[in-house]
Amino acid sequence: GESVGLHLPTLSVQEGDNSIINCAYSNSASDYFIWYKQESGKGPQFIIDIRSNMDKRQGQRVTVLLNKTVKHLSLQIAATQPGDSAVYFCAENSGGYQKVTFGIGTKLQVIP
Amino acid sequence: DADVTQTPRNRITKTGKRIMLECSQTKGHDRMYWYRQDPGLGLRLIYYSFDVKDINKGEISDGYSVSRQAQAKFSLSLESAIPNQTALYFCATSDLGTGGETQYFGPGTRLLVL
Repeated sequence: GESVGLHLPTLSVQEGDNSIINCAYSNSASDYFIWYKQESGKGPQFIIDIRSNMDKRQGQRVTVLLNKTVKHLSLQIAATQPGDSAVYFCAENSGGYQKVTFGIGTKLQVIP
Repeated sequence: DADVTQTPRNRITKTGKRIMLECSQTKGHDRMYWYRQDPGLGLRLIYYSFDVKDINKGEISDGYSVSRQAQAKFSLSLESAIPNQTALYFCATSDLGTGGETQYFGPGTRLLVL
């Protein structure tokens, strides 16, 4: 099987249900956050981003919530579909010439 | 993303061999990165380059070197491959915009060092 996903936290969700994937970030100076999706055999792909002056941002079927008080980020996927099965990473960036720091990732498994 | 390509996609090599992984991009971005991905560890930065004359070490640069031949090309070399360099390698590009920095990844190179 694909090596990406082994030993990762796994979330199993019934098709059609909503999914919530959580991420704790470490740098209180980070002001820009990104969620990436990585399907089996592919590189990570941008899903949605949020700046620190926002608490919530919505995309198509996805919502990102940011809680700066506890340094927590979440990704909500509405009406989860089999095509949503992937590993999801959060990333934080403090802008300028700072490198992006990635979280370990969570594997989302959608049960048909 | 077809805008960022990596060659080869898969590579098997022996301990002690020198190998090169190549990355090309058509996005016109100045910034390029090399990461490795291992089970349970997420993406770890090897090297990054913010323009053709700029090369910087990441958190795990030992055993690796890079070359930024042009804005569009960034190569990663393993001078003498060892088994613990077996991993999935990703190249990425970015362009710092008004919102922050979003990275665009290539499809990855799976490397096995025997």
